[in-house]
Amino acid sequence: DGGITQSPKYLFRKEGQNVTLSCEQNLNHDAMYWYRQDPGQGLRLIYYSQIVNDFQKGDIAEGYSVSREKKESFPLTVTSAQKNPTAFYLCATPKPGTVTGELFFGEGSRLTVL
Amino acid sequence: AQKVTQAQTEISVVEKEDVTLDCVYETRDTTYYLFWYKQPPSGELVFLIRRNSFDEQNEISGRYSWNFQKSTSSFNFTITASQVVDSAVYFCALSEVTGGYNKLIFGAGTRLAVHP
Repeated sequence: DGGITQSPKYLFRKEGQNVTLSCEQNLNHDAMYWYRQDPGQGLRLIYYSQIVNDFQKGDIAEGYSVSREKKESFPLTVTSAQKNPTAFYLCATPKPGTVTGELFFGEGSRLTVL
Repeated sequence: AQKVTQAQTEISVVEKEDVTLDCVYETRDTTYYLFWYKQPPSGELVFLIRRNSFDEQNEISGRYSWNFQKSTSSFNFTITASQVVDSAVYFCALSEVTGGYNKLIFGAGTRLAVHP
C-alpha cells in the first residue's frame, strides 16, 4: 500500500540528547513537511521540502534540523537546542496536482523528554 | 494575519445525536481554501473536505455536511446521527500562499466523543 511511514511511534529521550525521527513515503511525491502538535493546539509547521536537496524553515524551526537527500525520505532531528521537545510529530506530503492543501499524513511519532 | 478559531475544545454526545463543529477564520486574501481534517486515535490526520472561497454551496457527503458562509467567515461541520466511530479530534484549516508554498493554518482542534 502507498503511504507515509513514520518511526519510531514512541521515543523517549534524556535531556541534552539529539534524536532523529524517520519519515518515509512511497507515493513518489516531491514535497514533504514536518509538523508539531501540542495538546490543545493546532499543528505548527517545522520544516518543509518542495524537492530533493532543498528544504525551508517553517514557523518553529529553531532547535530542529532536516535533510532531504532522497525523494522518499525526510528525517527530522530534534536537537538539544530545542527547549521543549516533548510533543507529537507528524510528517505529511501534499497530493500532487492539487492547488493547495490536501495532505497525506503519517501516524506520527510521540517524543517524550525525561 | 491568518487565523482559524475552533472555540469548542471538547464535545460529548450520545450516539445518534447530531453535532456541529464550529470553525471561524480570518484572512485578508480574496482567494483561499478551507479544510477539515479528522484525527482518529491512531494519530494520522485524514483529509475530509476542501472548499474554495468562491464556492459557497453547502456540501453533503453521507452523514457529513459542511456549511460555508463568507459573510460570517465560518465553515462549520455537522455530523448527522453520530456514531462511536466518529470519535476523534477534528481540525479546521485555512490555506495561505507564501513564497510559492501553500501553507495550512490549523485551528486548535475539537475533540468529539460519541458515547454508545
